[in-house]
This record gives sequence, C-alpha cells and structure tokens, in this order.
Amino acid sequence: QKEVEQDPGPLSVPEGAIVSLNCTYSNSAFQYFMWYRQYSRKGPELLMYTYSSGNKEDGRFTAQVDKSSKYISLFIRDSQPSDSATYLCAMRGLTGGGNKLTFGTGTQLKVEL
Amino acid sequence: NAGVMQNPRHLVRRRGQEARLRCSPMKGHSHVYWYRQLPEEGLKFMVYLQKENIIDESGMPKERFSAEFPKEGPSILRIQQVVRGDSAAYFCASSSETSNQPQHFGDGTRLSIL
Repeated sequence: QKEVEQDPGPLSVPEGAIVSLNCTYSNSAFQYFMWYRQYSRKGPELLMYTYSSGNKEDGRFTAQVDKSSKYISLFIRDSQPSDSATYLCAMRGLTGGGNKLTFGTGTQLKVEL
Repeated sequence: NAGVMQNPRHLVRRRGQEARLRCSPMKGHSHVYWYRQLPEEGLKFMVYLQKENIIDESGMPKERFSAEFPKEGPSILRIQQVVRGDSAAYFCASSSETSNQPQHFGDGTRLSIL
C-alpha cells in the first residue's frame, strides 16, 4: 500500500464548476500538507500549505485536512480552463528527518469551456 | 528571476555516459532537495542537502548517483554510467532555513538515455 493515495483521474468538469480533489494517507507522522499544481513540462507550483487539521482558504482555493480520517481535500471554486493541470498532494512530518515530501501520483484535471 | 533555476532543461546521454544536473536555489534559500518523476508515477524524494552537507539521502540509489551542494555554486546531481531506466524528469526544490517553510520547485531537467 502506498503511503499517499490519490485518484489519477482524468477529471473533466465544465467551466464554473466546483472541483473537489482528494488524497488519503496512512502515515500518522505527517503534519504538513501541501497542494501543488503542475502544468505539462513544468515544475510543481505550490498552491496551498497547511499544518495539522483544519481549513485554509486562498482566493478560489480551499484546502481541508482531517487528520483523524487521514484525508485531505482541495476545492476549486468557479473553475477556469486555466486550472487544467495535474494536481499533486504532498505531505511531510516534522523537522529533522521529516523534511522530505511524500507525494500522491497526481490527479489530472480538465476544465472545459 | 528569483525562482529555482535548473539546467539544462533537457539532457540526452548515451548508455554508460555521465549526467550532471544543476540546481540554483531561490535567493535566500539554503536547503535543496532533489526528486525524480517517472512516467505515471508521482515525485519520489532522492536527497536533501544544506550547504556542504548531505542531510538525508535515503531516496538515492546506492550506486551511480551522488549529490553535492558546495559552499559556492549550484547543487549538482550526478549520475554515472547512465542506463535506460534513469530516463526521467529530475526536479530540484529549495526552502529557507526555517524548518517549517514550504519547498518551491524548479521546472526540472528531462533526462533521456539513448
């Protein structure tokens, strides 16, 4: 079993839809949770960075972390064609040996006109 | 451009040659990480370095791979005697000295082995 599970998609939605992306994980040592967006042939771009459980909002993006269920989500409101990309969840433990990120395999999102 | 800079963007090598991938961290960042992304797989951690020190190399293959981050200049990921299975995208990330800061990524080096 992988430490981080993420549905690869592809996920296709109409413009303006609310998108829900999710990851589950098995390592209870994970404390920091991230969402990255990756366009084709580019590097991952940090979207959201959260610590422990709770919600965080930034513009059209909301990240949720439920540590009791080992489940994290990213919501995208009013989705745009420019949101079409692969979304990667990533997580890590505390300091010291915990700096390395463990990634999901990514969900491919397509927002259609 | 204050972002993480990687070069070359594309690198082609024949089997048995050496590949050298370079990474300059964001300005003010002193922590560097290397990840490898294979087709249909997520990014996999390889190594974490600070200036002149390897902090965590638990993701590095035992043979042929090495990394350094000298006092001056970029971080280097070196692959000796490359094989077809080394074909992948190699990404570098950097973070600031404060331990809970996020990692920011470069656009990667795509290595192709003929």
